[in-house]
Amino acid sequence: DAKTTQPTSMDCAEGRAANLPCNHSTISGNEYVYWYRQIHSQGPQYIIHGLKNNETNEMASLIITEDRKSSTLILPHATLRDTAVYYCIVRAGGTSYGKLTFGQGTILTVHP
Amino acid sequence: DTGVSQDPRHKITKRGQNVTFRCDPISEHNRLYWYRQTLGQGPEFLTYFQNEAQLEKSRLLSDRFSAERPKGSFSTLEIQRTEQGDSAMYLCASSLLGPGGAKNIQYFGAGTRLSVL
Repeated sequence: DAKTTQPTSMDCAEGRAANLPCNHSTISGNEYVYWYRQIHSQGPQYIIHGLKNNETNEMASLIITEDRKSSTLILPHATLRDTAVYYCIVRAGGTSYGKLTFGQGTILTVHP
Repeated sequence: DTGVSQDPRHKITKRGQNVTFRCDPISEHNRLYWYRQTLGQGPEFLTYFQNEAQLEKSRLLSDRFSAERPKGSFSTLEIQRTEQGDSAMYLCASSLLGPGGAKNIQYFGAGTRLSVL
């Protein structure tokens, strides 16, 4: 799986959009970008994933650059409960691929 | 609650003792995964099952670790002769493998926190 690079930490004001970047310059054609987050003392929570098109769900939006070498997770209206570690993971599709390889993630702190 | 369930949530043991953790996946999920997470680090993959078959094991899974999923439903992770370095959060996840594999979304339990004294 391709390696990802994320900032160690970010801050965001409550009610504002949180934009979390991720670099994955060695991504290959069959690899998807997944985002998970982990709130303190809980298991990781799936947020969103995509291949090359932008994706949106009830939690967030995922913007993937045209060359697919980077992506941005957008939380449109951050709340205090969005304070967590956010992991960007690249993993191939296909039934033979199982594990997720987590990096250090980005610690997002949402301030009142 | 129909999420991934792990038991116990916390376990304190003495060095050298054996411990066993249980994971109940989301109903009908055919894949089950075990990860380990130490303080300040992201989760690290240990092993995973598709139904009852163990398909992959990490090098992290030493001979003291064994995982089973005998009937393709719940799974157990046993650690024999625990060491202080085994202290970590042990996370279980499950997924439903469908066509293509891309939507093989893993859903995690809350984890079992192991402390080896």
